[in-house]
Amino acid sequence: QSVLTQPPSVSGAPGQRVTISCTGSSSNIGAGYDVHWYQQLPGTAPKLLIYGNSNRPSGVPDRFSGSKSGTSASLAITGLQAEDEADYYCQSYDSSLSGSNVFGTGTKVTVL
Amino acid sequence: QLQLQESGPGLVKPSETLSLTCTVSGGSISSSSYYWGWIRQPPGKGLEWIGSIYYSGSTYYNPSLKSRVTISVDTSKNQFSLKLSSVTAADTAVYYCARRWFRELRFDYWGQGTLVTVSS
Repeated sequence: QSVLTQPPSVSGAPGQRVTISCTGSSSNIGAGYDVHWYQQLPGTAPKLLIYGNSNRPSGVPDRFSGSKSGTSASLAITGLQAEDEADYYCQSYDSSLSGSNVFGTGTKVTVL
Repeated sequence: QLQLQESGPGLVKPSETLSLTCTVSGGSISSSSYYWGWIRQPPGKGLEWIGSIYYSGSTYYNPSLKSRVTISVDTSKNQFSLKLSSVTAADTAVYYCARRWFRELRFDYWGQGTLVTVSS
């Protein structure tokens, strides 16, 4: 049972904007720990998409953006494209779980 | 370019020990800037962090798996390894190794993953 909760699925038409929430608590996101986001295309390993709440690694399109507030974080995809159809996971650190790295429950993005 | 590659048996019998090795190339496992970790993903399910190790041998594990997990490092071979004991069908998963930044806690390089099936 993950301590970071995400919606199971979100969908949007090409060109639209979708957002994915990641809800935590006072022992992880709310404690000030950074949130990172990963994109997992079908049959492949996760890829770092956003780090440190809102930073994009080199090569990640600026259509992807992240934010954090209180005990939650969000990933936004603007100008949705067919190749964005994938699973997305948030990740943080939880101080109540003996130094655990924790992943969110995951969200499937479907491009209609 | 850093690369990580998992290796080990793809089939393990129930109650036995799962053993995997991650070989790091294109960079040194002895860098002070990183931890090295194992993450798994059961078929059709989400990601679960198993544990991480520093080049010095310092480890920390997911509390839910701690009693069954051992992660070790061999700096001379630029490898780190995972052992998971007393496996059951619930341990069937794709196992990934990955590099984690020491301070920023993000996993930036991942192996391709290896499927381990627990079955008799």
